[in-house]
Amino acid sequence: GAGVSQSPRYKVAKRGQDVALRCDPISGHVSLFWYQQALGQGPEFLTYFQNEAQLDKSGLPSDRFFAERPEGSVSTLKIQRTQQEDSAVYLCASSTKTSGRDHEQYFGPGTRLTVT
Amino acid sequence: DQQVKQNSPSLSVQEGRISILNCDYTNSMFDYFLWYKKYPAEGPTFLISISSIKDKNEDGRFTVFLNKSAKHLSLHIVPSQPGDSAVYFCAASDGAGNMLTFGGGTRLMVKP
Repeated sequence: GAGVSQSPRYKVAKRGQDVALRCDPISGHVSLFWYQQALGQGPEFLTYFQNEAQLDKSGLPSDRFFAERPEGSVSTLKIQRTQQEDSAVYLCASSTKTSGRDHEQYFGPGTRLTVT
Repeated sequence: DQQVKQNSPSLSVQEGRISILNCDYTNSMFDYFLWYKKYPAEGPTFLISISSIKDKNEDGRFTVFLNKSAKHLSLHIVPSQPGDSAVYFCAASDGAGNMLTFGGGTRLMVKP
């Protein structure tokens, strides 16, 4: 079956521009996560949705970062007024809940954002 | 403060031998642990997991060991194959079961 897809795969933005990154999770997956991966590091949690509800946004680094999942499927991560430190790979993951618990998360290929 | 650490940034192993990747954690609330494998330009792929109620989980060539008292887990790959060459990430979650906390990764190179 289809996995998690993300678009665009690569994005170059000039400092100060707004960007929007899209994630299509696995069909039927209740939970959706966004992670940020800097070069040479592990992914770091940004935010979590259960269906359309954003239940945790504790990892968003600033109020320039905003995420939504209005219909409980596709999600968009928006970064306003991009800065050079926003350059990273943005990973989306989805999972099913078993006994109220997310277990394995399935990741998309990521969007590599470069801010110049 | 890194709650999940992979202290070896890289590991080189001969084909057919055992690869052992290590991971340490500090948060005693973590109760579920996962290993992911990542190839360049791809997202992490789930490999194997273990709950804190177990100390070992095996899946084919892959075995994960958990030592709760030492807050240490390891991934054993036997026998190692050149296709196993990738970056391996250890990850953990707590009772809330939502976000994953990742280590920094270990690059495994399996030489033919």
